[in-house]
Amino acid sequence: DTGVSQDPRHKITKRGQNVTFRCDPISEHNRLYWYRQTLGQGPEFLTYFQNEAQLEKSRLLSDRFSAERPKGSFSTLEIQRTEQGDSAMYLCASSLATATNYGYTFGSGTRLTVV
Amino acid sequence: KQEVTQIPAALSVPEGENLVLNCSFTDSAIYNLQWFRQDPGKGLTSLLLIQSSQREQTSGRLNASLDKSSGRSTLYIAASQPGDSATYLCAVSRNSGGYQKVTFGTGTKLQVIP
Repeated sequence: DTGVSQDPRHKITKRGQNVTFRCDPISEHNRLYWYRQTLGQGPEFLTYFQNEAQLEKSRLLSDRFSAERPKGSFSTLEIQRTEQGDSAMYLCASSLATATNYGYTFGSGTRLTVV
Repeated sequence: KQEVTQIPAALSVPEGENLVLNCSFTDSAIYNLQWFRQDPGKGLTSLLLIQSSQREQTSGRLNASLDKSSGRSTLYIAASQPGDSATYLCAVSRNSGGYQKVTFGTGTKLQVIP
């Protein structure tokens, strides 16, 4: 396990379709985060898990978005009824709760294009 | 609410030049500050992490400093190379509801010209 893995790397979907992204964090990391990044902007926080519990959701995460982390391992982010405004890079990061001095490790992201 | 600002938004320098990227933040109650590099269409690569109790960190040609009291950090890149061309993001971490909440700046897009 050399880092955070995200799948797929790219996704093109038609407006109105549902999409699901997967993130596999570093195995010993118990915290997992989802961020969204649009062109020319820094990443914006979406949601956060500690183990399997989803502890915070951003206002950016509308009812069409849902995230899960069953068994506190990998996580999925689903977007229902996609809109063109959902086009962005979706980034996953993980960290160790007891080691705030370690910072975040990010995956390579999933780029979503809604046409 | 923490706000993070990076200046300049874009920077173009000739190869070999030393340069400084700036990051400022509004809330000085932070855990740490992390500098990331992002290549076009890619994820974020961590460059340096400075704890709130530290003043600077160094890795190779990179040196990052932190002045919590003034809400500022700088990333110094020595002897810049074309391979350094990327967007550099500053991220500030603080406690929010018991977890480590990170706020990013909008980045500085660096172009090093051969």
